[in-house]
Amino acid sequence: DQQVKQNSPSLSVQEGRISILNCDYTNSMFDYFLWYKKYPAEGPTFLISISSIKDKNEDGRFTVFLNKSAKHLSLHIVPSQPGDSAVYFCAAGAYGGSQGNLIFGKGTKLSVKP
Amino acid sequence: EPEVTQTPSHQVTQMGQEVILRCVPISNHLYFYWYRQILGQKVEFLVSFYNNEISEKSEIFDDQFSVERPDGSNFTLKIRSTKLEDSAMYFCASSDGRRITQPQHFGDGTRLSIL
Repeated sequence: DQQVKQNSPSLSVQEGRISILNCDYTNSMFDYFLWYKKYPAEGPTFLISISSIKDKNEDGRFTVFLNKSAKHLSLHIVPSQPGDSAVYFCAAGAYGGSQGNLIFGKGTKLSVKP
Repeated sequence: EPEVTQTPSHQVTQMGQEVILRCVPISNHLYFYWYRQILGQKVEFLVSFYNNEISEKSEIFDDQFSVERPDGSNFTLKIRSTKLEDSAMYFCASSDGRRITQPQHFGDGTRLSIL
């Protein structure tokens, strides 16, 4: 049961262009979403989050968009840099929920080419 | 910046043997977690620990698993009798709150290989 789906295992983007990473969820109880970034041989690092009361949250080059009706969120990175090359995990849960209820996707490997 | 540290980075063990994975959480954090990621799969929650006891566990965390905070700094995951399917990356994490709105800090993981 994949409650959080990242359907693209990998994405390749040219430096300076926009990277768009997608995530779909099936559980309508989810109302809080996080993106984590993971470099090889390192643990996931929190990147950005959004609650369902918003449809957009921005932090520097990173913006997360939430489309509740479509149960879809996306992470935009503009402009993309080679240092952004990593695996990006989407995670979802209920706003008042505990960490044990957080569900991760399988991740999308982003490669940003110079 | 404070970080979560895990040892060893890679552990190779014979099937049926016991293994202990070690973690040092961030010192002022109160909540500790273990996750695993089987190759090519998603990160899966195993267990959370607060105030010297398990606060949540998943159905993966069966009787062969146990966690302990043996002293003021270490947090360990013990797998009693390892199976081939226990081969995975194991991540320790800590946070200063139990809610998902308080993001966790992850260690770099221990790769466990069962032969």
